[in-house]
Amino acid sequence: DAKTTQPNSMESNEEEPVHLPCNHSTISGTDYIHWYRQLPSQGPEYVIHGLTSNVNNRMASLAIAEDRKSSTLILHRATLRDAAVYYCILRDPHEDAGNMLTFGGGTRLMVKP
Amino acid sequence: DSGVTQTPKHLITATGQRVTLRCSPRSGDLSVYWYQQSLDQGLQFLIQYYNGEERAKGNILERFSAQQFPDLHSELNLSSLELGDSALYFCASSVGLDPYEQYFGPGTRLTVT
Repeated sequence: DAKTTQPNSMESNEEEPVHLPCNHSTISGTDYIHWYRQLPSQGPEYVIHGLTSNVNNRMASLAIAEDRKSSTLILHRATLRDAAVYYCILRDPHEDAGNMLTFGGGTRLMVKP
Repeated sequence: DSGVTQTPKHLITATGQRVTLRCSPRSGDLSVYWYQQSLDQGLQFLIQYYNGEERAKGNILERFSAQQFPDLHSELNLSSLELGDSALYFCASSVGLDPYEQYFGPGTRLTVT
């Protein structure tokens, strides 16, 4: 799987939008971009995924650059509960190697009240 | 609540011993994944089962083995335990072989003394 690069940590104020960047310059045409997050003392939690177009769901939005070499996870209004480690993961569903997720270091998001 | 259950929540055992971790996937999910999270290695994929058959292997030690039973629950067996095996072990499940959403359980914290 192609590699992703994320900042180690970011800080945000409560009730403000948060933009979490992810660089993936070696992404292939069939790689999907997945975001998971891990709240303290919990298992990872699916957030969103996309291929080429921007995606929205109840948790967040995913903005994908036109060249797909980077993407941004957008939390529209951060709450204290959004403090977590956010992982950006690339996955090609056509690979025959199973469907495991390869987690990197992620970005630790801290939310200030 | 992801719908994935893991037992036990905590496990403390001595070096050289053998333990079994249990996972029940979400109702209807056929794929089960095991991940290990340690402080120095981060979240690492161990093994995947799909409908009772091994699908993919990651960084799983030979001392570790897993299986998925006809009722789709899975067990991860860890033997000849070493201090370095102390970690959080997560189970995840997904509907089929699609990689889009994996649902993680709360984890089992294993401490080897």
